[in-house]
Amino acid sequence: AQSVTQPDIHITVSEGASLELRCNYSYGATPYLFWYVQSPGQGLQLLLKYFSGDTLVQGIKGFEAEFKRSQSSFNLRKPSVHWSDAAEYFCAVGTTSGTYKYIFGTGTRLKVLA
Amino acid sequence: EPEVTQTPSHQVTQMGQEVILRCVPISNHLYFYWYRQILGQKVEFLVSFYNNEISEKSEIFDDQFSVERPDGSNFTLKIRSTKLEDSAMYFCASTRDRAVSPLHFGNGTRLTVT
Repeated sequence: AQSVTQPDIHITVSEGASLELRCNYSYGATPYLFWYVQSPGQGLQLLLKYFSGDTLVQGIKGFEAEFKRSQSSFNLRKPSVHWSDAAEYFCAVGTTSGTYKYIFGTGTRLKVLA
Repeated sequence: EPEVTQTPSHQVTQMGQEVILRCVPISNHLYFYWYRQILGQKVEFLVSFYNNEISEKSEIFDDQFSVERPDGSNFTLKIRSTKLEDSAMYFCASTRDRAVSPLHFGNGTRLTVT
């Protein structure tokens, strides 16, 4: 069965520090992978997506993610975190067999210290 | 950029009452979804809808739930007799194509059942 695991429920970093949020997926075929960000009381905003090709994808707000098939991972990174990055981050896999839908991970809540 | 819009942003209802959550997907999109997020938990798939019929529904989407596209623009989720455990944020999403297009999410409707 398809699934997405985000092992870190909470992460705290200092402003200016680098960030890596982990995401592991379980999916039999080539996955379509996404990262979304959710600010408090807001909807889900797409940060970046991977469909095929270059395994390092760039997104909005200075985020990037690297697809590693051998590790079934799609970790999100940012070299220097800003206080406004404090939010919840969701990794998702898009299933291409049967009905197309997303399966989300449980999310990682990021706290940024000034 | 076109957006998915949801109304109302917050709905309070008493247990046993019917509620209708409304969504206006992006106009040229063909696939529509409802997701649910109970406070502090992950985003869960409820139902997908295409060509005026349900494509897939999760086990959460029981007989209390129904979806409808009553006209060319609206997409609604009805809960017939709300329960306390239906309290959650409900997100509508749409996409143009299967698989290759990301889902666009609305800002959600927070449903509170008292």
